[in-house]
Amino acid sequence: GQQVMQIPQYQHVQEGEDFTTYCNSSTTLSNIQWYKQRPGGHPVFLIQLVKSGEVKKQKRLTFQFGEAKKNSSLHITATQTTDVGTYFCAGPERSGGSNYKLTFGKGTLLTVNP
Amino acid sequence: GAGVSQSPRYKVAKRGQDVALRCDPISGHVSLFWYQQALGQGPEFLTYFQNEAQLDKSGLPSDRFFAERPEGSVSTLKIQRTQQEDSAVYLCASSRIKGGVGNSPLHFGNGTRLTVT
Repeated sequence: GQQVMQIPQYQHVQEGEDFTTYCNSSTTLSNIQWYKQRPGGHPVFLIQLVKSGEVKKQKRLTFQFGEAKKNSSLHITATQTTDVGTYFCAGPERSGGSNYKLTFGKGTLLTVNP
Repeated sequence: GAGVSQSPRYKVAKRGQDVALRCDPISGHVSLFWYQQALGQGPEFLTYFQNEAQLDKSGLPSDRFFAERPEGSVSTLKIQRTQQEDSAVYLCASSRIKGGVGNSPLHFGNGTRLTVT
């Protein structure tokens, strides 16, 4: 089945440093989604990328979708303590013409030292 | 409601007991999903409902797991004869459109943390 891999598994940074997490899929994706899960919380949708090579920004967060639509990245500029959490990428798995089943990566846990 | 509501928030069960986990999706949301999240892992798909129809249950680990959504709103995930390996957070998510991952994101509940002793 489809596999989604994320690296690194953990990242600890000093506040103000940048952070990047990378996501790779074993199959071409129709779209990729990113979620953030705070410690003890639930995944919260951040963004969806659909087009090959797409780049989207949300304030200090920059999301990219690879040209081959098999990889993606999330970059945070000048991290803040509010950025702490686990960042997951997820891609839909095609099944019988539908794409409702999301396969999540294992996530990257970001901790920020103030 | 304002968000997806799950209950109980925590559940401790002795091995062999049956448990029932409840999910109240956002009102009007057509799609409902159950995911299982083990410690340090990403959520893993269990089952998918479109209204009251269970369209996919391929992720349910065994026949001890059963999910229903009889009226197309509230859903219950039941686990019979719980085992220690069932310990995990069970997340419910809903989406306003069919399929839920096309143009509408998943809205997750806070989950039920199940511990089987």
